[in-house]
Amino acid sequence: EDKVVQSPLSLVVHEGDTVTLNCSYEVTNFRSLLWYKQEKKAPTFLFMLTSSGIEKKSGRLSSILDKKELFSILNITATQTGDSAVYLCAETFRRGGSQGNLIFGKGTKLSVKP
Amino acid sequence: DAMVIQNPRYQVTQFGKPVTLSCSQTLNHNVMYWYQQKSSQAPKLLFHYYDKDFNNEADTPDNFQSRRPNTSFCFLDIRSPGLGDAAMYLCATSRDSTGTAFFGQGTRLTVV
Repeated sequence: EDKVVQSPLSLVVHEGDTVTLNCSYEVTNFRSLLWYKQEKKAPTFLFMLTSSGIEKKSGRLSSILDKKELFSILNITATQTGDSAVYLCAETFRRGGSQGNLIFGKGTKLSVKP
Repeated sequence: DAMVIQNPRYQVTQFGKPVTLSCSQTLNHNVMYWYQQKSSQAPKLLFHYYDKDFNNEADTPDNFQSRRPNTSFCFLDIRSPGLGDAAMYLCATSRDSTGTAFFGQGTRLTVV
């Protein structure tokens, strides 16, 4: 059973649209939730969320965590073609002693049309 | 400056011929991860090191091994690559088990 579930799996929008990407996760030994953007290479870090209800922003991107309902959203406003990518959500959680783990969801493939 | 460096960027190997992928980091992070990512799929964790402590995922095939001779370097050894092992292999590091993971550029492995 997947620990991190993202939706939708793919999304096609036009430039200027606002999109919301969803990520739900399991609570067991939760530490933090991470968002990454992946184009044709390795994932690049966007946000790390540990506290519920505190929005993190970076330009047109923002994200928030709800630890009660066990989900996070990533918002992108005024989308541009350069936002086209796969957006990955990952959960870090404690597994055995002090060691952690990092598990990814399947990603949301966003395509922004001109 | 690149902080997590993977070599080579592209590797072609023959079916059954052992291959080693390398990863180095300048961040002095405690944790190093190896992920396998196939086309249109999420990265799948193979194993990770917390310092010298090796942690294997339950479903990682025995064909995959790893070594971490020091803090800066970590290697992924594939003893007998099969066609199904063709993928992007991503190395990542984090300061500790709670922290953000930083990725290298990946090694794309082709098996012929």
